[in-house]
Amino acid sequence: TQLLEQSPQFLSIQEGENLTVYCNSSSVFSSLQWYRQEPGEGPVLLVTVVTGGEVKKLKRLTFQFGDARKDSSLHITAAQPGDTGLYLCAGAKDYGQNFVFGPGTRLSVLP
Amino acid sequence: KAGVTQTPRYLIKTRGQQVTLSCSPISGHRSVSWYQQTPGQGLQFLFEYFSETQRNKGNFPGRFSGRQFSNSRSEMNVSTLELGDSALYLCASSLRLAGRGGGYNEQFFGPGTRLTVL
Repeated sequence: TQLLEQSPQFLSIQEGENLTVYCNSSSVFSSLQWYRQEPGEGPVLLVTVVTGGEVKKLKRLTFQFGDARKDSSLHITAAQPGDTGLYLCAGAKDYGQNFVFGPGTRLSVLP
Repeated sequence: KAGVTQTPRYLIKTRGQQVTLSCSPISGHRSVSWYQQTPGQGLQFLFEYFSETQRNKGNFPGRFSGRQFSNSRSEMNVSTLELGDSALYLCASSLRLAGRGGGYNEQFFGPGTRLTVL
């Protein structure tokens, strides 16, 4: 059983559409990170959220940490083909512990 | 500043053999973590080294081992390879040990070594 669940598993959309992907757990995390991984590369950190209810924006990407710090969402506005990749969330249950990763959402944005 | 480098990028081995993978962290980074990524299990933590000492370990058998040198470069070794060891092995470096210095740690990943066991 995965400590972190991500949905949807796969998502294929047209350029210009909006989308939201989710990261859920029954556990509370002290912090949560989102990564994007492109084929043949390692994951690249997009954001870290540490406060319940926190919202962070990175250009067209909006990240939210749930009030109870058990879940997070990533919203992309006006998706572009360059957004294509595997989106991974990773949570640390406590300081001093390493992050555990979710299985990822594979996004494909078609031109 | 150069990123995390991993060598080799691709490797093909047969069951029963052993393999050593290498990781050079970003200059100044003292923590190196290793992960295994497979389609079925996703990204799983193997171990973390800091100042030449293993500080954290994931739930993998003893066939998986590692070490870190005084220049922070790290190697990972897998002995008696099994078919299920086929995976992308990722190395990540960070300035400090996980959780120290205020909470969360930013990890920078290398491109990985794709290991295929036949």
